[in-house]
Amino acid sequence: QQKVQQSPESLIVPEGGMASLNCTFSDRNSQYFWWYRQHSGEGPKALMSIFSNGDKKEGRFTAHLNKASLYVSLHIKDSQPSDSALYFCAVSRQVVGQLTFGSGTRLQVYA
Amino acid sequence: EAAVTQSPRNKVAVTGGKVTLSCNQTNNHNNMYWYRQDTGHGLRLIHYSYGAGSTEKGDIPDGYKASRPSQENFSLILELATPSQTSVYFCASGDAGQNQAPLFGEGTRLSVL
Repeated sequence: QQKVQQSPESLIVPEGGMASLNCTFSDRNSQYFWWYRQHSGEGPKALMSIFSNGDKKEGRFTAHLNKASLYVSLHIKDSQPSDSALYFCAVSRQVVGQLTFGSGTRLQVYA
Repeated sequence: EAAVTQSPRNKVAVTGGKVTLSCNQTNNHNNMYWYRQDTGHGLRLIHYSYGAGSTEKGDIPDGYKASRPSQENFSLILELATPSQTSVYFCASGDAGQNQAPLFGEGTRLSVL
């Protein structure tokens, strides 16, 4: 069964700083990778996807995927207090939607 | 606007009682999912459905049933609730052909006493 592990468990960065979140997965047949963000009391919301090896940039967010190393990461540039949330890495093997989630990284951005 | 609506938002149940959690989506998505969220475990897939009349077991189906009577509605049923099923439950919908991330509801907080 797929195992998805995230690190660190929690992360504190200053406003304007860089936040780096890591995720490893166990199934080499994994194809679809998402980062979700969850603010307190809300449901998870998809932040960005990455399907091919390399980097994908969307505004202040950059995702990196290395399937051979079973590794995906998310980097948040110029972090804002509104970025404070729980971030999940989610991986799907074949059927989009049958996601396996990591346990999450709690990010706190202080002003 | 795409939406997934869950009801109730909060529920307190007694051990051994029956609990039904409801989910409605207006996105015309074929696929729907039920996850539970527990600290230290992230979200874990309980049941999912490819369309009306279909239900499939996810990673942790024991103690749960699901029902998909229509494209829009997907229910999660706990026939005999136990304290270990105290959790936050999320419903999601998605369209497998579009490589789009599933859209989640706001969650139902269930406490089984």
